Amino acid sequence: GEDVEQSLFLSVREGDSSVINCTYTDSSSTYLYWYKQEPGAGLQLLTYIFSNMDMKQDQRLTVLLNKKDKHLSLRIADTQTGDSAIYFCAEGPSGGYNKLIFGAGTRLAVHP
Amino acid sequence: DAGVTQSPTHLIKTRGQHVTLRCSPISGHKSVSWYQQVLGQGPQFIFQYYEKEERGRGNFPDRFSARQFPNYSSELNVNALLLGDSALYLCASSSVTRQVNTEAFFGQGTRLTVV
Repeated sequence: GEDVEQSLFLSVREGDSSVINCTYTDSSSTYLYWYKQEPGAGLQLLTYIFSNMDMKQDQRLTVLLNKKDKHLSLRIADTQTGDSAIYFCAEGPSGGYNKLIFGAGTRLAVHP
Repeated sequence: DAGVTQSPTHLIKTRGQHVTLRCSPISGHKSVSWYQQVLGQGPQFIFQYYEKEERGRGNFPDRFSARQFPNYSSELNVNALLLGDSALYLCASSSVTRQVNTEAFFGQGTRLTVV
């Protein structure tokens, strides 16, 4: 079946790195995504990784993919208070067009 | 360029009523998907439309229906509203290529409250 799991909460100090973890079940997933949601807002696409890659870096964001363990992580370097939000991991099953399977989200709290 | 636009932004309805939510995709995008996000949970897939045809449907009752128009905008309809239908309804658009997922861009959502 299709399932995406994330830890629910992460608290970090401003300036530290944050690492948000995610596991997924569908080994045929083509793309894996990270979305950010601020209070009362929609979803903002942060980054995504193809399933044939193991790492992608985009400014302060680093995505690591371990296909063997079906584990995805998002590292945010130099975390700022503006990074406080809920982060969703999502998988895009191959052949499923735009059907994304989301995790429950990880709430990131950044404190001074 | 305008992003994905949804209307209305907020809506309050009474149990048993019907509601229509609207979405305009990014210009050039032919695929629209709808998601339901209940408070405290991740979004759940409801429908996907591509080139005006339904391409996928999530595990939602027949009270939920949708359609896509020639200009690729879309409507989500929900009949016989229940309290449990209270949620943020998100629309996503993408330039889907055949059998491959691409970036999906979400609108700000319509917050539906059923009382």
